[in-house]
Amino acid sequence: EPEVTQTPSHQVTQMGQEVILRCVPISNHLYFYWYRQILGQKVEFLVSFYNNEISEKSEIFDDQFSVERPDGSNFTLKIRSTKLEDSAMYFCASSVDSYNEQFFGPGTRLTVL
Amino acid sequence: GNSVTQMEGPVTLSEEAFLTINCTYTATGYPSLFWYVQYPGEGLQLLLKATKADDKGSNKGFEATYRKETTSFHLEKGSVQVSDSAVYFCALPSNAGGTSYGKLTFGQGTILTVHP
Repeated sequence: EPEVTQTPSHQVTQMGQEVILRCVPISNHLYFYWYRQILGQKVEFLVSFYNNEISEKSEIFDDQFSVERPDGSNFTLKIRSTKLEDSAMYFCASSVDSYNEQFFGPGTRLTVL
Repeated sequence: GNSVTQMEGPVTLSEEAFLTINCTYTATGYPSLFWYVQYPGEGLQLLLKATKADDKGSNKGFEATYRKETTSFHLEKGSVQVSDSAVYFCALPSNAGGTSYGKLTFGQGTILTVHP
């Protein structure tokens, strides 16, 4: 069964460093998303991506964040200069259309020291 | 935009007990409704969904009925198992009708612990 994959599973970085989180969505899906979950809190939407551009982003997704689909299979989230409060689990998701279920990857746990 | 309110947990039950986790929503139109489950140390998995009013979603013994009149989508299971211990999230698309890019809004999650 096709699934969304994410790498790495755990990333530890120093404050101020750049990180890139990688995702491979399900191959026939057209919509891509990033969410995050701070430990013990609810899942929060960051950004959606369709037709090679950002379609919606939350207030969390400021200028430090960017997304890219560089090669037609990978979907990346870059945090340019990490802050302590960026420590969270980051989930990638994809869907066939914008009205039905999204399929989530296993997440990348980001720890900023 | 659309929103969802989920009963606060945590919920602790003995094996074979009956489970209800309440979820109510506010929405424009009639969006699809979802329950996602997060097992310890894992990502989110779709547990079940309902795409229109009066639909019943079901999976792994869990059920939820899309009730338009009470704007609810409560999750139920007749006999829980230890392996059901997880965090359960109710979710719906943030915007229904018109332009929608599929952003999901999640409830705050309910931690379920089942003891033998």
